[in-house]
Amino acid sequence: SAVISQKPSRDICQRGTSLTIQCQVDSQVTMMFWYRQQPGQSLTLIATANQGSEATYESGFVIDKFPISRPNLTFSTLTVSNMSPEDSSIYLCSVGLLRPAGGYNEQFFGPGTRLTVL
Amino acid sequence: QQQVKQSPQSLIVQKGGISIINCAYENTAFDYFPWYQQFPGKGPALLIAIRPDVSEKKEGRFTISFNKSAKQFSLHIMDSQPGDSATYFCAAGHSGGYQKVTFGTGTKLQVIP
Repeated sequence: SAVISQKPSRDICQRGTSLTIQCQVDSQVTMMFWYRQQPGQSLTLIATANQGSEATYESGFVIDKFPISRPNLTFSTLTVSNMSPEDSSIYLCSVGLLRPAGGYNEQFFGPGTRLTVL
Repeated sequence: QQQVKQSPQSLIVQKGGISIINCAYENTAFDYFPWYQQFPGKGPALLIAIRPDVSEKKEGRFTISFNKSAKQFSLHIMDSQPGDSATYFCAAGHSGGYQKVTFGTGTKLQVIP
């Protein structure tokens, strides 16, 4: 498995501002993902953070709103830009690990960042 | 094609009883079906996973049953305990490479003493 930490764990922000969330993994991983989870809802994939290239965004999410950096194999950031109350959510970092014995990949999640936008 | 349907939305089970959560998928190319457990304020944690070459996988009190022809799979929690109270998400994806999984809508389980 992988130990994933996120900073900050929670924040309250004003409308129109931006927040950058950091994700740190204790080992080098190929795949990192960013998810959004609104209260009581399922997980929605925002984008795949690619090391050394631009992130791959899912339908409905754009780089201008959610810029992502992936400078190396253990770290990524997600910025929520020009925030509105609708952006209030939990943002989760996830990593994909290839399991040699089973030959399939598994996803592990960080503890999440709880964002409230006023 | 990518949707994963999960039911029930919420579930209340007596301590010692069996909790059953069902999921159905559409994309026949999916070949990896994990279940995640999420406690309040925490990220989802991988609980158990199955591939379609087996019809059942058991780990302790948790069992996944898989019906490939019906494109359905379910999680059974035997001897449910109050500590099992959490939200459970099924998911479906591809075992090869590093591809993302698609999550179900979640089931909030409450186990009462």
